[in-house]
Amino acid sequence: GAGVSQSPSNKVTEKGKDVELRCDPISGHTALYWYRQSLGQGLEFLIYFQGNSAPDKSGLPSDRFSAERTGGSVSTLTIQRTQQEDSAVYLCASSPRGRESSYEQYFGPGTRLTVT
Amino acid sequence: GQQVMQIPQYQHVQEGEDFTTYCNSSTTLSNIQWYKQRPGGHPVFLIQLVKSGEVKKQKRLTFQFGEAKKNSSLHITATQTTDVGTYFCAGKGNKLVFGAGTILRVKS
Repeated sequence: GAGVSQSPSNKVTEKGKDVELRCDPISGHTALYWYRQSLGQGLEFLIYFQGNSAPDKSGLPSDRFSAERTGGSVSTLTIQRTQQEDSAVYLCASSPRGRESSYEQYFGPGTRLTVT
Repeated sequence: GQQVMQIPQYQHVQEGEDFTTYCNSSTTLSNIQWYKQRPGGHPVFLIQLVKSGEVKKQKRLTFQFGEAKKNSSLHITATQTTDVGTYFCAGKGNKLVFGAGTILRVKS
């Protein structure tokens, strides 16, 4: 079956514009994560969805960032009024169960966001 | 809160040399996972360790979980150019927390 997919693969936007990044998790996976990775850096946790529970938004860096997960499947990460420091690769991952379990995370290819 | 530290941040080795990256948690873990991210790619799961003192091998890779379940290591014997990438550990306490990763470069 298909893995985690993300779109677009690359996005170049002007400072101040809004962007939406999409993640299609593996079918049947209840847990979905968003991470941000700057060049040569580690994974910065952004937000976590598990089933119908309230998402863990503790990693979102500012109120310009928000995410939704509709129908327990597709997720959209929205960044409003983008800033140059938002430039990074945004990675989505899904897992068969929530993070309280011990299942591995399956990562998508990421969206490379460049804010000019 | 739970923290996972990885060292070194970066290592450059000659092909054929060994390489080790270490992962240390501020809290006791129920398990630890290791991922590899090739340059330009995304993290891919390598292995999970669960038991205290557990050692697992995958060809030239040896993974260890400490007795106290607070630290782990990944050792690569006789590195090859195909080993280049960033190696992440992810420790599960109350939740899964990723380390910052160790970047491995191999000179041929």
